Amino acid sequence: DAGVIQSPRHEVTEMGQEVTLRCKPISGHNSLFWYRQTMMRGLELLIYFNNNVPIDDSGMPEDRFSAKMPNASFSTLKIQPSEPRDSAVYFCASSLPTGNYGYTFGSGTRLTVV
Amino acid sequence: SQQGEEDPQALSIQEGENATMNCSYKTSINNLQWYRQNSGRGLVHLILIRSNEREKHSGRLRVTLDTSKKSSSLLITASRAADTASYFCATDAGANNLFFGTGTRLTVIP
Repeated sequence: DAGVIQSPRHEVTEMGQEVTLRCKPISGHNSLFWYRQTMMRGLELLIYFNNNVPIDDSGMPEDRFSAKMPNASFSTLKIQPSEPRDSAVYFCASSLPTGNYGYTFGSGTRLTVV
Repeated sequence: SQQGEEDPQALSIQEGENATMNCSYKTSINNLQWYRQNSGRGLVHLILIRSNEREKHSGRLRVTLDTSKKSSSLLITASRAADTASYFCATDAGANNLFFGTGTRLTVIP
């Protein structure tokens, strides 16, 4: 398995533009997580899915953020409109659903909003 | 916040020495996990310890868990330059969503 695949690796966009981050989890992993990492706030859980259903989106900072998981092999995190304070590294991770296995993280998307 | 806190924030040791990192957390947990992050990369799962376990080993790694004190430690023995990374603890309260600590930045000097 190629692991969790995220795209793009780097994204530079202007304030106000829409940004879409993509994630392909490991086949067979039923849980998918989106995290954001910044120096100031560390790793923050934004949202997670079990069997393609959003379970907890309380970490999504505001309505500008949305996430979807249309099928078991694909998820997107969208920011519209983007702001400079959204600049961060966004990680996707997947795991088996039982809670006694570790997560597998993707390599992340470094987002810079100018 | 459910996030844990690692101590120390940064640690610098000579190659061959042992490195110990500590993690404190606030809520009851189902398990606690340790991850490594190399600069510019994603996190890599190292080891998971369940709430009913007190100690676990994996290669040069030794993890302890004290649920009464809500604390855990990660020991890396005979450190190598390649161990240079940030190390995070993460707690699972039972809903299979992990909350990560602030991390310890380990530097191993060759």
